[in-house]
Amino acid sequence: DTAVSQTPKYLVTQMGNDKSIKCEQNLGHDTMYWYKQDSKKFLKIMFSYNNKELIINETVPNRFSPKSPDKAHLNLHINSLELGDSAVYFCASSQSYRGTDTQYFGPGTRLTVL
Amino acid sequence: EDQVTQSPEALRLQEGESSSLNCSYTVSGLRGLFWYRQDPGKGPEFLFTLYSAGEEKEKERLKATLTKKESFLHITAPKPEDSATYLCAVQAATDSWGKFQFGAGTQVVVTP
Repeated sequence: DTAVSQTPKYLVTQMGNDKSIKCEQNLGHDTMYWYKQDSKKFLKIMFSYNNKELIINETVPNRFSPKSPDKAHLNLHINSLELGDSAVYFCASSQSYRGTDTQYFGPGTRLTVL
Repeated sequence: EDQVTQSPEALRLQEGESSSLNCSYTVSGLRGLFWYRQDPGKGPEFLFTLYSAGEEKEKERLKATLTKKESFLHITAPKPEDSATYLCAVQAATDSWGKFQFGAGTQVVVTP
């Protein structure tokens, strides 16, 4: 069983479109995260939610909106996609957000904006 | 400004040729330092967590060590299956709980 899963694996879309990426974890963790990995391979945190409550909100354009319907799911909706949004987006989860709990990553969603 | 720097950017090794990767960090108070392995097209896979200077952790051919300014990931007698990008991340005391700062990684290629 996949611990952290994301759909879709690949997403190709036109500029200006709106798209969503879904993430689910079956580890029973309380905290989930979204990261962006750009072409230089840097992983940067975007958001984190703890038990459906927003904990971390980095400097991310308002076009990105996370939604957590329950603590096992964290979706990422992106409005008005731009070329610069092309990247690989990773979802992760950890037991909690306090302490130094290990973060476990999903397989990633490669977003290409044309 | 907090920084995490990994070196070298890329490393090519012959099978059996041991080497070390470096992760240097400048953060105000280290809560923890994490090593991950990332294979092409996949998400990072957790390897180790180190909390304080002098700490060491081992797993198969990998050994991670920590000082007050840097961490090393030693690969002993590597095999081709050790080929991957190795990422280092730190959690700083001045950051929000749960915020990891990642380095750019070291891409390791082990040839038979």
